[in-house]
Amino acid sequence: ETGVTQTPRHLVMGMTNKKSLKCEQHLGHNAMYWYKQSAKKPLELMFVYSLEERVENNSVPSRFSPECPNSSHLFLHLHTLQPEDSALYLCASSQTGTSGSNEQFFGPGTRLTVL
Amino acid sequence: AQKVTQAQTEISVVEKEDVTLDCVYETRDTTYYLFWYKQPPSGELVFLIRRNSFDEQNEISGRYSWNFQKSTSSFNFTITASQVVDSAVYFCALSVYNFNKFYFGSGTKLNVKP
Repeated sequence: ETGVTQTPRHLVMGMTNKKSLKCEQHLGHNAMYWYKQSAKKPLELMFVYSLEERVENNSVPSRFSPECPNSSHLFLHLHTLQPEDSALYLCASSQTGTSGSNEQFFGPGTRLTVL
Repeated sequence: AQKVTQAQTEISVVEKEDVTLDCVYETRDTTYYLFWYKQPPSGELVFLIRRNSFDEQNEISGRYSWNFQKSTSSFNFTITASQVVDSAVYFCALSVYNFNKFYFGSGTKLNVKP
């Protein structure tokens, strides 16, 4: 496997379910990101992990819970979601530096539908 | 505060036409980076180019070219002789010194018709 992979690619869940999204990067990067992309809205940064520590949490509801067990893996645990949480969830990774110069590489996303 | 504006929500062209996608950015930082990404219908954002604030040289890569002008805070993207495979949503992004946090524009959807 190369690049950034995400599983599952599609997920349908009820509002009372608990599920997790998984992201894995094979690029040797030390930072990982979760983004939410809703229809007709800009990409929304949700969480940033750098060196396995959460460094950014953009006022995301607590029903979304991230986990970064190591620099290659990132999870997004979901519980008690709302229909408006239906979106494409994208994971990305990059090599952090002091200059902010390094591009982020994205996974294919998980298309989430909340019924 | 940082901000990226892509005023063109959607553009439709006929194959072989040239098309320019506009990107205007705002930042008070003197060191920053600008990026363009392509998002085809499959969903994955594909990195196209990175440009730093100290390098205003324009760049050409095949049918793609980028025009960076600090005087107007713009980083425009031109596709020459467009093809149907160019149909996608294109995002412009800005990064400043902050753990590589990216500020994305809202994207421009490009439709290239045969």
